[in-house]
Amino acid sequence: KAGVTQTPRYLIKTRGQQVTLSCSPISGHRSVSWYQQTPGQGLQFLFEYFSETQRNKGNFPGRFSGRQFSNSRSEMNVSTLELGDSALYLCASRRGRGQGTEAFFGQGTRLTVV
Amino acid sequence: EDQVTQSPEALRLQEGESSSLNCSYTVSGLRGLFWYRQDPGKGPEFLFTLYSAGEEKEKERLKATLTKKESFLHITAPKPEDSATYLCAVISAAGNKLTFGGGTRVLVKP
Repeated sequence: KAGVTQTPRYLIKTRGQQVTLSCSPISGHRSVSWYQQTPGQGLQFLFEYFSETQRNKGNFPGRFSGRQFSNSRSEMNVSTLELGDSALYLCASRRGRGQGTEAFFGQGTRLTVV
Repeated sequence: EDQVTQSPEALRLQEGESSSLNCSYTVSGLRGLFWYRQDPGKGPEFLFTLYSAGEEKEKERLKATLTKKESFLHITAPKPEDSATYLCAVISAAGNKLTFGGGTRVLVKP
């Protein structure tokens, strides 16, 4: 059974540019969440999508946005990149939103903003 | 707001030297506590889910336990391949997001 797939694995962007990251969840999983991981802040929740609707959002500026498609695949977009956006971006998929649904993570996309 | 604190931040062990990692949490209505293992440059790997106080789960040299305020991850007779960062996270009744602790970096020396 394939795991969570994130593309690309590595990305280098310049300040002011925008970037789109992709996540394909485990087959049959309908919930996709995004997290940012940095050495200083650890793992922080960005947002969650379920059935193509954003269900929950963390404390990040509006430059961070996402969407989910009908096949549960999700994309995350960051506009007007800042140096502080350099981080490992992780996607997690869950079968549903109830108790008993563990979150499984992809390998992440390492974004470097220069 | 949900809070998770892990201690210690780092742990150096000799191979075979058992130890415990602590995860203290404050949540409104715990729906689940999760342990993950993360290797450098990789995504977290799911280890255990615990739902209620008194529950225990085991996997190879790892055993996780849960009380009403904290969880412990016991590593019995660790091997160098157990070296990793161990992350604790909770989901509360208030929302469907994982709130993570800062992690414990474990280094097991042969």
